[in-house]
Amino acid sequence: DTEVTQTPKHLVMGMTNKKSLKCEQHMGHRAMYWYKQKAKKPPELMFVYSYEKLSINESVPSRFSPECPNSSLLNLHLHALQPEDSALYLCASNSIRGGGRVLGDTQYFGPGTRLTVL
Amino acid sequence: ELKVEQNPLFLSMQEGKNYTIYCNYSTTSDRLYWYRQDPGKSLESLFVLLSNGAVKQEGRLMASLDTKARLSTLHITAAVHDLSATYFCAVDSPYGQNFVFGPGTRLSVLP
Repeated sequence: DTEVTQTPKHLVMGMTNKKSLKCEQHMGHRAMYWYKQKAKKPPELMFVYSYEKLSINESVPSRFSPECPNSSLLNLHLHALQPEDSALYLCASNSIRGGGRVLGDTQYFGPGTRLTVL
Repeated sequence: ELKVEQNPLFLSMQEGKNYTIYCNYSTTSDRLYWYRQDPGKSLESLFVLLSNGAVKQEGRLMASLDTKARLSTLHITAAVHDLSATYFCAVDSPYGQNFVFGPGTRLSVLP
């Protein structure tokens, strides 16, 4: 099974709402990632979790709060977002060994959540 | 700071023609990754190139890596409409934890 799943597929929320995005993989990967992608741009890294611990936060505003409850699940909690946060949010995973990802292993991406903030 | 560049950024080509997309990167790396993204969809892994001189082919696409020149190419042979998509190359970041993506090449194959 080389699948990363994400729910929901689409999300529309107001600026005062609280919502969560969910990502799941069962490939035994211990590195999981959140990316944000705006139209016609490459994915931008937001967070990296290694062995369920946050290892990289790319200076993401605190209105985005990641959580990794176990080795298969990754959540992204959203609160008080702005319209400019509207984007495709992608989750990815890959193998790691020791302190870093297994170089030469591709990242597996989920289908994404299309988020619209009104 | 690691930089990854692609050219062209936009490519419109006719079916049946050949073309090459170039990916340059600014730091030493023995590995390079190519992804495809269809509009509104996720990224699909195409190729993982693991050493200097590596060449991989899948259907009408062939990717190669020259680590000395810090250059990878994605060659399209006899393009068909189904190849229309955005193609990203990516390189391992210096920390090894994540990728740095190029800006993408938006390919449109016209009948």
